[in-house]
Amino acid sequence: EVQLVESGGGLVQPGRSLRLSCAASGFTFDDYAMHWVRQAPGKGLEWVSGISWNSGSIGYADSVKGRFTISRDNAKNSLYLQMNSLRAEDTALYYCAKGSGSATLANLNYWGQGTLVTVSS
Amino acid sequence: EIVMTQSPATLSVSPGERATLSCRASQSVSSNLAWYQQKPGQAPRLLIYGASTRATGIPARFSGSGSGTEFTLTISSLQSEDFAVYYCQQYNNWPPLFGQGTKLEIK
Repeated sequence: EVQLVESGGGLVQPGRSLRLSCAASGFTFDDYAMHWVRQAPGKGLEWVSGISWNSGSIGYADSVKGRFTISRDNAKNSLYLQMNSLRAEDTALYYCAKGSGSATLANLNYWGQGTLVTVSS
Repeated sequence: EIVMTQSPATLSVSPGERATLSCRASQSVSSNLAWYQQKPGQAPRLLIYGASTRATGIPARFSGSGSGTEFTLTISSLQSEDFAVYYCQQYNNWPPLFGQGTKLEIK
């Protein structure tokens, strides 16, 4: 059974940093691209970032480019999102999602339950 | 970037009736279009990929159609568990953006 468990969320002040993690199990992690998708309270889904199976292809939404960094450790079956210079508008539930293939452009066939990030002073 | 526009924003349908949701892309995405369902307090779930292929375990009452810029999700006979928010997403070009969602509510 595929499982994606996010962690690392919390309350953080504007301008500070936070690192999210996603622990994956139930599939061969290094065969698949992985993504982060967020959802602000009461709002729709916003794709944030994606990374290919070997980290050779990485993409970011314009809203986070230059502030967020996605990475993965295939030996640890883990996905990460380093978030710097956080803003109030980054407040959201952050989902980790598995791509359906090794390339970054693919549908997202499994999702975690999310970790909540709140940016406020 | 390719903008995805869903319509209507809210759709009110009675149980047992058919629901038709639309998604339009600002430029062609071929058949690289997915539909997701999200219920309150839950993570999204993949329903349809490749514009028309049902994901594993998705009931046959869900069907997708279209290619290029116009796509449709049809739910043939609504069950109580189908009332939720539905999102489309293109994965043909960077960035793989979502539509704003259609809320399917009970009439």
